Amino acid sequence: QKEVEQNSGPLSVPEGAIASLNCTYSDRVSQSFFWYRQYSGKSPELIMSIYSNGDKEDGRFTAQLNKASQYVSLLIRDSQPSDSATYLCAVNMNVGSGYSTLTFGKGTMLLVSP
Amino acid sequence: GAVVSQHPSRVICKSGTSVKIECRSLDFQATTMFWYRQFPKQSLMLMATSNEGSKATYEQGVEKDKFLINHASLTLSTLTVTSAHPEDSSFYICSAREAESYEQYFGPGTRLTVT
Repeated sequence: QKEVEQNSGPLSVPEGAIASLNCTYSDRVSQSFFWYRQYSGKSPELIMSIYSNGDKEDGRFTAQLNKASQYVSLLIRDSQPSDSATYLCAVNMNVGSGYSTLTFGKGTMLLVSP
Repeated sequence: GAVVSQHPSRVICKSGTSVKIECRSLDFQATTMFWYRQFPKQSLMLMATSNEGSKATYEQGVEKDKFLINHASLTLSTLTVTSAHPEDSSFYICSAREAESYEQYFGPGTRLTVT
């Protein structure tokens, strides 16, 4: 069974620190990876996508991908209390007949304290 | 860009009635739409995938006769929960994806309460 694994947390960091969120996946042929942020009671919001090995930076967010290790991470610099949310790692996986779907991890809860 | 809307945002209905939820992509053409369900403090669960003009593909354990999905146009998909029961109370969220893209954009969700 194709899986995406995340530590459920909570991950607690002080305001201004770097938050590091990690994710591993089981499907070696996956090529597309995403990070979503979900606030309590709200739907997920796409914050980063990454397709190539290495780092991808967007503002305070950096996604890192290592396909050989089947590992993707999200770094949040200068963490703010407003970053407190559940972060979902998602991996695009082929499900046959030319279709693909996102497989989500269970999410890591991030708590940023003032 | 990439805005997805859902209607209604909240609905309360009596047991045995049917509820229709609409999902619209506002600024792009969604060749594929997805329907998820999320119970409190649990992870997203994919219910079904619908491609425009085709029958939906349901995940294992999801009753296709109970959760009717229609994706008649490139901007609209509907989910109808038929003969709803209290155990169907949940947060239903749709997402949409353009052709040639893997990025999914989520609607704001519909909170269904069945009394």
